[in-house]
Amino acid sequence: ETGVTQTPRHLVMGMTNKKSLKCEQHLGHNAMYWYKQSAKKPLELMFVYSLEERVENNSVPSRFSPECPNSSHLFLHLHTLQPEDSALYLCASSQEPSGARNEQFFGPGTRLTVL
Amino acid sequence: AQSVSQHNHHVILSEAASLELGCNYSYGGTVNLFWYVQYPGQHLQLLLKYFSGDPLVKGIKGFEAEFIKSKFSFNLRKPSVQWSDTAEYFCAVYGQNFVFGPGTRLSVLP
Repeated sequence: ETGVTQTPRHLVMGMTNKKSLKCEQHLGHNAMYWYKQSAKKPLELMFVYSLEERVENNSVPSRFSPECPNSSHLFLHLHTLQPEDSALYLCASSQEPSGARNEQFFGPGTRLTVL
Repeated sequence: AQSVSQHNHHVILSEAASLELGCNYSYGGTVNLFWYVQYPGQHLQLLLKYFSGDPLVKGIKGFEAEFIKSKFSFNLRKPSVQWSDTAEYFCAVYGQNFVFGPGTRLSVLP
């Protein structure tokens, strides 16, 4: 079974739509992450959650709203996005957010296109 | 602020050639260092990591990396590449937070 799953794998939405991305990890990890991967740009860390508490928010626009209801699930709620938000959104998890066990395991990503 | 640079955008090698991909970072404190690989159509996978101890780290599929603290570097090496190593390689650093490099695309010609 894949350790980190993401749904949907592809999403096309208009600028006025509201949608959510879902991530689930089956590894018993305590930390979860959202990243944005755009063409020709480095992977950008968006949010970090540790034990369901947000520990980092890297100046992400408020049109992206994360939610972590438990340590296995992470959501990214999207509303009134812009075309430049089109990208691959990756979820990752790690045993701990820092220290010796913070290597991340990534999901396959959601390819988002904003029209 | 933390940053990570990777020396090459695209590397093209023939099978059996040796590989070295450069990675440099800027952060003055203690770091964890990682190399991830993304094969075509697949998700990011961890190749190897450095946390502490021996600066020469061995990973999966014959890859290794050396942490040189004085040079703020963590270069990835493989003595003999295979066609199946064609992928994108990302260096990542954890100091205050996770920062990824821009990636190096490796193409191995059969």
